[in-house]
Amino acid sequence: QLQLQESGPGRVKPSETLSLTCTVSGVSISSSSYYWAWIRQSPGKGLEWIGSMFYSGTTYYNPSLKSRVAMSVDTSKNHFSLRLTSLTAADTAVYYCARRLNWNYPIDYWGQGTLVTVSS
Amino acid sequence: DIQMTQSPSSLSASVGDRVTITCRASQSISTYLHWYQQKPGKAPKLLIYAASSLQSGVPSRFSASGSGTDFTLTISSLQPEDFATYYCQQSYSIPDTFGPGTKVDLK
Repeated sequence: QLQLQESGPGRVKPSETLSLTCTVSGVSISSSSYYWAWIRQSPGKGLEWIGSMFYSGTTYYNPSLKSRVAMSVDTSKNHFSLRLTSLTAADTAVYYCARRLNWNYPIDYWGQGTLVTVSS
Repeated sequence: DIQMTQSPSSLSASVGDRVTITCRASQSISTYLHWYQQKPGKAPKLLIYAASSLQSGVPSRFSASGSGTDFTLTISSLQPEDFATYYCQQSYSIPDTFGPGTKVDLK
């Protein structure tokens, strides 16, 4: 059974960089043909897709975040990561990692989510 | 970006009621429309994909239809575990966008 688990700091200061990791269990990131994604949810903006990537490196980012976001995969640790720079209070949200069968397919597996608060 | 709207934003219903939620896209998205259910403190759960296909394990009281710009999600007989917030999502073009949600609560 596929499981996804987010990890990272619960609080980050404004202007700093957020780094989150999603540990995947139940399937090998590099042996599967799935896309891996990050989505966030805040009271003000609802659900917002951040980006999706294939383990080989193909990435798709939300244009509204593209200048600040990077996703990467570590196949040796079977996890993928999100890096978001120049944080502001507007980046405060629950961040979910997720899986989809292709870049434009629905999201069929979600992690439990991790709350990130941007505050000094 | 494709804008997604949902109506109503909230509704109150009783167990056994038939509930219909609508979702509208700002431009045609064919059938690249998916529905999710979210309960407080939990991640969204995929209910319906490609506008009308029931995700494995989802009860058959959930159904959906539509194509182009107008879509509906129907719960034929509301059960206690169905009180939640429902979101639509389009994956026709990048960026994926979600509707603002419809909260279904107990009358």
